[in-house]
Amino acid sequence: DAGVTQSPTHLIKTRGQQVTLRCSPKSGHDTVSWYQQALGQGPQFIFQYYEEEERQRGNFPDRFSGHQFPNYSSELNVNALLLGDSALYLCASSLAVGPEETQYFGPGTRLLVL
Amino acid sequence: RKEVEQDPGPFNVPEGATVAFNCTYSNSASQSFFWYRQDCRKEPKLLMSVYSSGNEDGRFTAQLNRASQYISLLIRDSKLSDSATYLCVVTRNDYKLSFGAGTTVTVRA
Repeated sequence: DAGVTQSPTHLIKTRGQQVTLRCSPKSGHDTVSWYQQALGQGPQFIFQYYEEEERQRGNFPDRFSGHQFPNYSSELNVNALLLGDSALYLCASSLAVGPEETQYFGPGTRLLVL
Repeated sequence: RKEVEQDPGPFNVPEGATVAFNCTYSNSASQSFFWYRQDCRKEPKLLMSVYSSGNEDGRFTAQLNRASQYISLLIRDSKLSDSATYLCVVTRNDYKLSFGAGTTVTVRA
C-alpha cells in the first residue's frame, strides 16, 4: 500500500520564478492538505483540498494556489517566489470523515529560492 | 501569542531515563490533540492522539489538562531510537493541524 508521495524531492529556483509541487495521497484517501515548514519551525497550514475544491486556507498570500484532480492528487503552485519561500513543503492526506482523522504526511519537497 | 508553544529543548538524556515535556495552546476551543514525531529531515509521523483521560502507548504517556490548556508527553525507559523532535499538534472544529515548533530530545548511550 503506497503512502503519500511527493515530487520533486528537491528544487532550486530564483526569486520571481514560479514553482509547481505535486502530491499523490495515500491509497483510499480523498483529502489533501499542504503545509510549509521553515527551518527550526513546525509545519504551517497552507490549505486543504477536498472534492477538487479548496475547503480551508491558512494565512498565506494569494501567490500560493492549489488544485486537486479527480484522482485526488494535488498540486501546489507558488508564484513570484521570494527568498522567504525557501522551506520544506509537506503534503498530508486523510479521509474526509472529520477533523480528528489522522493526517499522513509525505516526505516533502525541499525548495530553495536563491 | 502563538497558538501552540513548546519548550524547544534540547533534552539530553541517558538511555533508560525518563523524560517529560509540555506544550501549551492558546485557544480554549481546541478540540483534538496529538503528538507527532519528526526525525531529522523526514516527515512528521503521528506518535499518539491525546485523550482527556490521558493515555499510554507502550513507553509513552500523554496527558491533557484543559483547564490549564497544556498537553504533556512522558517517555519512560528512553531508547536511542527515541531521539527526534516531538511536535505538539492541536485542532479546533476544522481541518487544519496547528503545530508547535517542536521539542528536541536526544538520547545518549
